Amino acid sequence: SQQGEEDPQALSIQEGENATMNCSYKTSINNLQWYRQNSGRGLVHLILIRSNEREKHSGRLRVTLDTSKKSSSLLITASRAADTASYFCATGLTGNQFYFGTGTSLTVIP
Amino acid sequence: NAGVTQTPKFQVLKTGQSMTLQCAQDMNHEYMSWYRQDPGMGLRLIHYSVGAGITDQGEVPNGYNVSRSTTEDFPLRLLSAAPSQTSVYFCASSPPGHRTKYEQYFGPGTRLTVT
Repeated sequence: SQQGEEDPQALSIQEGENATMNCSYKTSINNLQWYRQNSGRGLVHLILIRSNEREKHSGRLRVTLDTSKKSSSLLITASRAADTASYFCATGLTGNQFYFGTGTSLTVIP
Repeated sequence: NAGVTQTPKFQVLKTGQSMTLQCAQDMNHEYMSWYRQDPGMGLRLIHYSVGAGITDQGEVPNGYNVSRSTTEDFPLRLLSAAPSQTSVYFCASSPPGHRTKYEQYFGPGTRLTVT
């Protein structure tokens, strides 16, 4: 399976700290995306990074991609209680099929 | 725009029953897909469609049927429900375009229990 693996499975930090979560995948990809899921809700697209990009920023989010190691990281800076959610990476091959990882559960303590 | 809507929100079925999970989007998105989410498994792709009249299988298609007669609707049919199909089902869509087609918009989900 192409399914990615996020690490750690769970992360608990204080408000204001940075949160870093990692995603590893198995085969060559076209792009990698990160999504957020609040408890009991659908997923929300955060950011996409293409295979020819190494780093991308969006507000307090920074994503890196290392295709040689088949891994990506998501950094959330200056975390807020509202960032409490599960975060998933998703890899795209041809663009028609996406494979999601198992997620990192982030808790930000006020 | 209502975005991606799913009905019902909750459903309990007995083993062997059939039902249809509804999904609709009003954003004129070409790509639509169905996922199931199980604890510790992440989301797994069941079926997807790249446009009206075109559907294809994903990672876990067995026991499910789809059709896409319009751009807006993409129903998922469970042919004969089994306890292994107890899960949360998400429908997603994404717009056309080279830059945007990977950004999926998700519905709120349907929580299905099969007894």
